[in-house]
Amino acid sequence: DSGVTQTPKHLITATGQRVTLRCSPRSGDLSVYWYQQSLDQGLQFLIQYYNGEERAKGNILERFSAQQFPDLHSELNLSSLELGDSALYFCASSWGDEQFFGPGTRLTVL
Amino acid sequence: AQSVTQPDIHITVSEGASLELRCNYSYGATPYLFWYVQSPGQGLQLLLKYFSGDTLVQGIKGFEAEFKRSQSSFNLRKPSVHWSDAAEYFCAVRSSGTYKYIFGTGTRLKVLA
Repeated sequence: DSGVTQTPKHLITATGQRVTLRCSPRSGDLSVYWYQQSLDQGLQFLIQYYNGEERAKGNILERFSAQQFPDLHSELNLSSLELGDSALYFCASSWGDEQFFGPGTRLTVL
Repeated sequence: AQSVTQPDIHITVSEGASLELRCNYSYGATPYLFWYVQSPGQGLQLLLKYFSGDTLVQGIKGFEAEFKRSQSSFNLRKPSVHWSDAAEYFCAVRSSGTYKYIFGTGTRLKVLA
């Protein structure tokens, strides 16, 4: 158990819908990272927050947005969902350079 | 642009045999290098990391990796594989000036009894 929690574990929704994925980092970790893992794209870095501020941005679509709240939990919002957004979404947290990954949220878009 | 290449998509070894998983990176300066393992249905777990210093790095679960600047490689090794090592292994790179991590496409390891 990494200490990082993600909810929900599974999410099934329809095209065009909007969903919110939640991540609670390890106690004391200020950084939160979001990743998308799909069969065709591999593990893609989406975005990083540090203590509430966006710090780094990767291959995140404009339909996707994230934020980190004062209690350090983070949410990833995915809107106008497409079939291709079906993937495993991981959150990771870190205090230094070691990332601790959560178990992931499996999103299925029908 | 930075990139990470794991040339082997699948590797099969017998239990007790030695293992080497290849990783090549493309980056101008010395990057921070990582190896992660992902078991089925699980998140990624850090095996080891290299930032500087001794180029042979020891990790958890008996794994080690060697940084070779001349070959832009950071190969993962284990002298004797156990059946529980069957998983997917990812090499990752992060430049010292940013917080963006780039992962390789992964190598899926199968261990034969």
